[in-house]
Amino acid sequence: NAGVMQNPRHLVRRRGQEARLRCSPMKGHSHVYWYRQLPEEGLKFMVYLQKENIIDESGMPKERFSAEFPKEGPSILRIQQVVRGDSAAYFCASSPLREPSDTQYFGPGTRLTVL
Amino acid sequence: AQSVTQPDIHITVSEGASLELRCNYSYGATPYLFWYVQSPGQGLQLLLKYFSGDTLVQGIKGFEAEFKRSQSSFNLRKPSVHWSDAAEYFCAVGLSGNTGKLIFGQGTTLQVKP
Repeated sequence: NAGVMQNPRHLVRRRGQEARLRCSPMKGHSHVYWYRQLPEEGLKFMVYLQKENIIDESGMPKERFSAEFPKEGPSILRIQQVVRGDSAAYFCASSPLREPSDTQYFGPGTRLTVL
Repeated sequence: AQSVTQPDIHITVSEGASLELRCNYSYGATPYLFWYVQSPGQGLQLLLKYFSGDTLVQGIKGFEAEFKRSQSSFNLRKPSVHWSDAAEYFCAVGLSGNTGKLIFGQGTTLQVKP
């Protein structure tokens, strides 16, 4: 069973460009979480999605950031008009259930650098 | 508000020595507690978790953690550290309710001296 897959692993963008980060959850998992890790900090929750639904986006910045998890295909985290402060590692996690005790399995992350 | 504090940013121990990483949480309800490890450039791997029952939890790689409700703590321990344990360790709280989001501490970086 393949783990959580994220691509690209590294992404470089210039200020003002768009960044698209992809996450394929583990097989059989229908719950996806996105976290952001700024340098020298822990992970901060951004958004929780199920297929075709955003369940909790309380950690998403109000502007420029959006997320989706379509019926078919990977979950996408989209950052429009990137700024240098968006440089971070973005991690996706998946779980089979949404119980708070359930384990979230993390992908290797996408490291975004904004020039 | 819910929060997780890992008081030690960096810890250095000698190989073979014992290890304890501290974690304190602030959460009004019954917490679900996790320890993850992150190697450089990698994602997070679950070491162990607590959500009910025995307050001493065994995990992978010889790690264990003890939940102490009176101290709001969930400290991670290992009796004998190996050089391969050098990594960053994160404590996290899972919240009850409809969301399964995790609240992470800022992490503790472990260095192992030969």
